[in-house]
Amino acid sequence: EAQVTQNPRYLITVTGKKLTVTCSQNMNHEYMSWYRQDPGLGLRQIYYSMNVEATDKGDVPEGYKVSRKEKRNFPLILESPSPNQTSLYFCASSSRDRDNSPLHFGNGTRLTVT
Amino acid sequence: DQQVKQNSPSLSVQEGRISILNCDYTNSMFDYFLWYKKYPAEGPTFLISISSIKDKNEDGRFTVFLNKSAKHLSLHIVPSQPGDSAVYFCAARLTGTYKYIFGTGTRLKVLA
Repeated sequence: EAQVTQNPRYLITVTGKKLTVTCSQNMNHEYMSWYRQDPGLGLRQIYYSMNVEATDKGDVPEGYKVSRKEKRNFPLILESPSPNQTSLYFCASSSRDRDNSPLHFGNGTRLTVT
Repeated sequence: DQQVKQNSPSLSVQEGRISILNCDYTNSMFDYFLWYKKYPAEGPTFLISISSIKDKNEDGRFTVFLNKSAKHLSLHIVPSQPGDSAVYFCAARLTGTYKYIFGTGTRLKVLA
């Protein structure tokens, strides 16, 4: 089944403790991206990647890092989480083969930083 | 500045009737528009899309209309079903990029 898989689904951590949220897709998509969803703000892009070893900042990249060493994986790293990073996070991917290829989303990771 | 706006946070519709969800945008540099549906505890699911060169796209019960002069996008669901109850997000892609701007969502409730 074609899917985007995020882990973990839920995570509670404390300020300053480094964490990684994993994202993997099995559709051979070139493009991958991370979003956060906050009440009243919709989905905002954190980072994106056009292909392996090609990453760039989105609208809200502060406090986050990403890497794209393999095509299928795009982990999101919080080196020193803070309470304002408490949010619902979504990973997404899409093909670059066709001009109009929609984003496919994972099921989300709800992060709480205390 | 919110470039893609969904001004109605919620909408209730009777089963069998038409649901109309609206989306306004301010940037003329969008070339592709999409609607996503989101159930609780799940990720957004792609529903339907439309290129900026078209004004209508239909897929079963779902039709998306694009009015470029008014910078307005709408999703029509006919007939509405209780299983359509979800949060709906519109999104727009900046021309020549893979950057998508999302609206804040409209919660649709279809009453049986």
